[in-house]
This record gives sequence, C-alpha cells and structure tokens, in this order.
Amino acid sequence: QSALTQPASVSGSPGQSITISCTGTSSDVGGYNYVSWYQQHPGKAPKIMIYEVSNRPSGVSNRFSGSKSGNTASLTISGLQAEDEADYYCSSYTSSSTLVVFGGGTKLTVL
Amino acid sequence: EVQLVESGGGLVQPGRSLRLSCTASGFTFGDYAMSWVRQAPGKGLEWVGFIRSKAYGGTTEYAASVKGRFTISRDDSKSIAYLQMNSLKSEDTAVYYCTRVVSGSYSPDAFDIWGQGTMVTVSS
Repeated sequence: QSALTQPASVSGSPGQSITISCTGTSSDVGGYNYVSWYQQHPGKAPKIMIYEVSNRPSGVSNRFSGSKSGNTASLTISGLQAEDEADYYCSSYTSSSTLVVFGGGTKLTVL
Repeated sequence: EVQLVESGGGLVQPGRSLRLSCTASGFTFGDYAMSWVRQAPGKGLEWVGFIRSKAYGGTTEYAASVKGRFTISRDDSKSIAYLQMNSLKSEDTAVYYCTRVVSGSYSPDAFDIWGQGTMVTVSS
C-alpha cells in the first residue's frame, strides 16, 4: 500500500479538464510544499510535470497545474489531448525516515 | 543536452551484489543532489535514496527498505553516481532510475531529470 492515495484511474474526453487527487497526511503532503507530479508513458521513464505544489518546469505545457489544500494535493489537466494518456504519480517529502513517498499512480484515459 | 544514462543492471542471484552507475552530461554534476528511484514490474514508483551535493556535505539518505544494504556514492570528477546494492532480495527486482534533484537543496524535494532506467532482476 502506497503512502499517498491516488485514484486508480480517471478519464476524460479531448478538450475537457480532469483533476487527479493525492491524499496524504500532515507528515507529508500537508506539512511541506514539496509535492511533485510525474507523467509516465508505457515503457518510458517518468517526466516531471509539477514541483513544489504548483511550479511548472520549463517546457511543460501550461495545461498542467497543481494545487494543495490541507493534506490533499491535486493535478489538473485542462484541454485534454490524446498524448496526455499516461500514468501519473504524485510524490511528497515526508518527515518519516523514508524521506520521499509516492502515490500508487493514476491511469489517465483520454476517451 | 542534459542527460542521465544508467548502466550495470542484469540478472543476479539472491544474496549477491550489484553496482549500478549513472553517468551525467549536459550540466554541472557537482552542483546537484542525485537520487535513485525504482519501479517493480507493473508497480508504482519507490524512492530508494539520494546523495547530497558536496556543498551540503555529500551525505546520503535511504528508504527503510534498503537501508543497510544499499549505498549511494558519487564521483564529481567523472560526473557519475553509483548505487551499490548488497544482499539482494527478490523484492529488489525492478527498473532502477537515476534522477537529478530539482534544486541543489538539502532535501530530495523533486526529480527533474530521469535516466532511461536499468533493469535489475534478482532470481536464482
């Protein structure tokens, strides 16, 4: 069982917006602004999409945005495109001895 | 081009050792902390550990699942990070990714560059 809880799957039609949640505790998501999101296509390495809750690395589309409220972080993808279909993972810094925890991943299907 | 390339994966028997290498290019390697993340077949991502830059003492931190068995080191003169894995178990079977920590910070806050990964299979 992963330390952070994500929905197993979400789906949306092209052009729509979807949100993926990532729920932790006050020891990780709620306690630090060190939440990041990664996109992984099948057979490929993960790619960073968001870091420090809402910062977007250079080159990442502004259709991707991040936010946090309490112990839950969220990744929103607007204007869904076919190429967005992938697995998405959240991660957070944590006060536990294992400094970084990941969510179990969410499979995004673009209908 | 900023790039990380892992090598050293393969098939190894339980209880044996293996060392992975991560060769960096396209950036000043010594300015960044480096981390290893693994992914078991069909499973999610798991943080393994990281090594701080020399500016932060070059110290290391590990996940509880590998602490005492795995060791991360770095050679800034060669732009290489290493993952020494001892006393390997079947549950260590995974693709191992080398990653760059997004800032030269003290903590492993996020990972902005990932290698292509190298597969480690622990089986008799």
